[in-house]
Amino acid sequence: SDILTQPPSVSVAPGQTARITCAKNNIESKTVHWYQQRPGQAPVLVVYDVFARPSGIPERFSGSNSGNTATLTISGVEAGDEADYYCQVWETNSDHAIFGGGTKLTVL
Amino acid sequence: QVHLQESGPGLVKPSETLSLTCTVSGGPINNYYWGWVRQPAGKGLEWIGRIYSSGRSNYNPSLKSRVTMSVDMSKKQFSLKLSSLTAADSAKYFCARLLTYLDEYYLDHWGQGTLVSVSS
Repeated sequence: SDILTQPPSVSVAPGQTARITCAKNNIESKTVHWYQQRPGQAPVLVVYDVFARPSGIPERFSGSNSGNTATLTISGVEAGDEADYYCQVWETNSDHAIFGGGTKLTVL
Repeated sequence: QVHLQESGPGLVKPSETLSLTCTVSGGPINNYYWGWVRQPAGKGLEWIGRIYSSGRSNYNPSLKSRVTMSVDMSKKQFSLKLSSLTAADSAKYFCARLLTYLDEYYLDHWGQGTLVSVSS
């Protein structure tokens, strides 16, 4: 299946830990990447190759991937983390990117 | 720091062809894949396709029959053409650079996006 399933929304209080999941059968066989998109802005890569972070992305952002679920974990959530988050994998059979439906993170 | 900038018409008529260009600055265009992604208002991201600096390209199977991409190394630009437009093609269109790990690709730099509306 080409579908990546994300929860539509996740809510967390400031300072707590947010976990955003991305589900696909046997996703652990794929490298998973995560993007943050603030309203009206372009997506920004926050985690790539499952758990690596681009320069400038805080250590609070981390990724993991096991079984049928990949997870983006944001520790010590701040108000500025409020955004939509998308997971992405690469479909090697037809050479194209697949995005999850996105998760809106709300900081209470 | 690589910078990408989309350009093109904001309004296109149904059945016509959309043409967008992405200009790359702050880094080389050669030896990379470059891609296009779109996002209808209030919705998620949709992959359109990618093109290598040599001109080799791959398109989303769902759009393949209507998409053509090209690259102009001398101008450090790559382009998207999408034909037979309908209202469903109205979206913000982003260009991006692709990097790879173990032959699986991700998008590390994005343009700010350009809004396209399909309407008569």
